Amino acid sequence: KAGVTQTPRYLIKTRGQQVTLSCSPISGHRSVSWYQQTPGQGLQFLFEYFSETQRNKGNFPGRFSGRQFSNSRSEMNVSTLELGDSALYLCASSLGGEQPQHFGDGTRLSIL
Amino acid sequence: TQLLEQSPQFLSIQEGENLTVYCNSSSVFSSLQWYRQEPGEGPVLLVTVVTGGEVKKLKRLTFQFGDARKDSSLHITAAQPGDTGLYLCAGLFWGDAGNMLTFGGGTRLMVKP
Repeated sequence: KAGVTQTPRYLIKTRGQQVTLSCSPISGHRSVSWYQQTPGQGLQFLFEYFSETQRNKGNFPGRFSGRQFSNSRSEMNVSTLELGDSALYLCASSLGGEQPQHFGDGTRLSIL
Repeated sequence: TQLLEQSPQFLSIQEGENLTVYCNSSSVFSSLQWYRQEPGEGPVLLVTVVTGGEVKKLKRLTFQFGDARKDSSLHITAAQPGDTGLYLCAGLFWGDAGNMLTFGGGTRLMVKP
């Protein structure tokens, strides 16, 4: 059974640009969540989507947005990139409810 | 805001020693999950504990969920170099507004041969 797939694995951007990250969940999983991981702040919740609807949002500025498609695949977009956005962005999928979340290997975003 | 405090932050031990990692919160969680993460990879789920007082064993790893579902511990017996990694606890809050994992700060474990 294929796991959560995130693309691309690595990305280098400059300040002011925008970026789109992609996540394909485990087959049958309808809930997709995004997290930002940095050495200083650890893993922080960005948002969760279920059946194409955003159900939960973490404490991040509006530059961070996302969406989910009818096949449960999800994208995350960050506009007007800042140096502080350099991080590992992780996607996790689950069946929803209290079911555990399973993570992809992340996209490492570096801002120059 | 649900906060999870994880301790210790760093742990360096010799092969064969035992260790315990603690995860504490003032909030009640629907369930608590433990993950292990290695460099360049995403967190891998080790176990989910749901019921207060629950104890789960995974080979040399023992996980316990506090009676009030606010705290948890991970005990490793006879640690091996292969246990080296970042251990993360995460509390799941689930409700009508969806679900959200709140992570502890992580425990970076190094087991020396």
